[in-house]
Amino acid sequence: AAGVIQSPRHLIKEKRETATLKCYPIPRHDTVYWYQQGPGQDPQFLISFYEKMQSDKGSIPDRFSAQQFSDYHSELNMSSLELGDSALYFCASSPRDRGLPWSGYTFGSGTRLTVV
Amino acid sequence: DAKTTQPTSMDCAEGRAANLPCNHSTISGNEYVYWYRQIHSQGPQYIIHGLKNNETNEMASLIITEDRKSSTLILPHATLRDTAVYYCIVRVVAGTASKLTFGTGTRLQVTL
Repeated sequence: AAGVIQSPRHLIKEKRETATLKCYPIPRHDTVYWYQQGPGQDPQFLISFYEKMQSDKGSIPDRFSAQQFSDYHSELNMSSLELGDSALYFCASSPRDRGLPWSGYTFGSGTRLTVV
Repeated sequence: DAKTTQPTSMDCAEGRAANLPCNHSTISGNEYVYWYRQIHSQGPQYIIHGLKNNETNEMASLIITEDRKSSTLILPHATLRDTAVYYCIVRVVAGTASKLTFGTGTRLQVTL
């Protein structure tokens, strides 16, 4: 079965550079979520999109922005990178909640960003 | 979303049942209990969810107390591949996308 595809798998950037992470959701999933997981930490919610509109926002720095495109893929843009941005970045997708229990999000394998 | 409390770590012998507890004493009537796990540096993986009835699937069983203030995830025959961090999350199933909020899960170590 198709899974959530994230690219690239690994990314090394220097301080003050920019980075773009991409997420391709499972077909027919219209909701995308981004999470950041620092070393030894639990995943922290950054932002989510439903039907190409931002639906929720967490602890996402102002230096980061994201969007969802017409084909439902999403991109996380990160500028003025800092050493502390080094982390695993996970994307997850889900179908729209329709008030019925669903089996949960499906997470991608993540992008490991290293800022040097 | 309601907060959850889990033990920081647990050990389990391979082949034995692993029982992972979770307290969610402030859970609301419209919140479900979800369990995810994360094997080292991989994306979190959905395990099971429930509202008030006990649930079972091919991975695990979920036992929810009658007052819904706590639950237990049961891995009936733990293997070394079950070594992971297990997260208990309560979440409202709403009409629009609602996030999962990860707390500090339980690090399960399965040993020979």
